[in-house]
Amino acid sequence: DTAVSQTPKYLVTQMGNDKSIKCEQNLGHDTMYWYKQDSKKFLKIMFSYNNKELIINETVPNRFSPKSPDKAHLNLHINSLELGDSAVYFCASSQVGVSYNEQFFGPGTRLTVL
Amino acid sequence: AQTVTQSQPEMSVQEAETVTLSCTYDTSESDYYLFWYKQPPSRQMILVIRQEAYKQQNATENRFSVNFQKAAKSFSLKISDSQLGDAAMYFCAYRSPYSGGGADGLTFGKGTHLIIQP
Repeated sequence: DTAVSQTPKYLVTQMGNDKSIKCEQNLGHDTMYWYKQDSKKFLKIMFSYNNKELIINETVPNRFSPKSPDKAHLNLHINSLELGDSAVYFCASSQVGVSYNEQFFGPGTRLTVL
Repeated sequence: AQTVTQSQPEMSVQEAETVTLSCTYDTSESDYYLFWYKQPPSRQMILVIRQEAYKQQNATENRFSVNFQKAAKSFSLKISDSQLGDAAMYFCAYRSPYSGGGADGLTFGKGTHLIIQP
């Protein structure tokens, strides 16, 4: 059973398009996250979200927006895609308040913008 | 803001030998959590080991152990009896304690690429 899943695993698209990446977790966690891993493998938090609060990393362009239809899902919408958006995007989840607040990661989505 | 530094972009070790990956961090908090994640070519992020700052005892998970030096803000990872399957990118990560309002994400170092020589 996959704990955190993402679709699609690969996404190739043209500059200027709008796309979404879906994330689902079946761990019953209350908090979900999006991370971006750039071409140099650097991982950076983009958003964290639970039913109380959305925390946005200030460096994230407003073309990126998370949407949570329910506690088990946090989708990432990207408008007007740019070449620099090419990266691997990871979804993660955790149960806040539990010791360590360990984050479980999805398999990643490689986005290529042409 | 916290920062995490991994000063070794790449390390190489002979199979069955021991290797230590370094990590330092900067924080003004007294309590926090530290993690080492492994990312093999499959790109899946795998938690290797974790440490709570208020625990003085170094964490150990089988062949993986840490040397946590709180005063020096150092959190190195030691891999004993290196195996070919240990070849991967290794990331050190920091997390603030849950403060009730929201959930902070992890702050990662830039990673160390570990090569295992057969």
